[in-house]
Amino acid sequence: ETGVTQSPTHLIKTRGQQVTLRCSSQSGHNTVSWYQQALGQGPQFIFQYYREEENGRGNFPPRFSGLQFPNYSSELNVNALELDDSALYLCASSRQGLGEAFFGQGTRLTVV
Amino acid sequence: DQQVKQNSPSLSVQEGRISILNCDYTNSMFDYFLWYKKYPAEGPTFLISISSIKDKNEDGRFTVFLNKSAKHLSLHIVPSQPGDSAVYFCAASAVFQGAQKLVFGQGTRLTINP
Repeated sequence: ETGVTQSPTHLIKTRGQQVTLRCSSQSGHNTVSWYQQALGQGPQFIFQYYREEENGRGNFPPRFSGLQFPNYSSELNVNALELDDSALYLCASSRQGLGEAFFGQGTRLTVV
Repeated sequence: DQQVKQNSPSLSVQEGRISILNCDYTNSMFDYFLWYKKYPAEGPTFLISISSIKDKNEDGRFTVFLNKSAKHLSLHIVPSQPGDSAVYFCAASAVFQGAQKLVFGQGTRLTINP
């Protein structure tokens, strides 16, 4: 059974650019959630995807968008990057309706 | 509005003793609670969970207690080992706007001293 994998592990972007982060969910899991973790804080919920559709969103602007593919992998896209977008981005997969979510190692995004 | 709070940013415990990490929540809609452990440069690792219909769940050295009336949960690690040194996050789960969402506390850095 493979775990959750994210790519890339580190990324440096310039303010105003766009970025795409990728996540492969754990086998058997059909739900993917994305979280942003700022330094010294707990992860904050961005949104969740189930059956290739967004089915819930946290307090993040529309320039944060995502996709889920038929194999349940997912992408997080952020447009018009701002300095405050610098954070660790975590992907978590789960079976819909069950509590445990399993996280990938994260992508460290630095916006300069 | 911090719905899940871990009021101790750090905790230091002697090896072999009990570590107790605490977490408080405000929203009665939460129906499932989880503890995660995080090492630097890694994602959170799931440790143990508890449903709101229970008051205790045990898995080896780890026990989670839930006090619904006080909206409080705690994680007990006994005996503590050096490898337990990490940041611990509690998380509360509920369905919000159709999504099963985890709300995390700020984390507690646990240091186990030899």
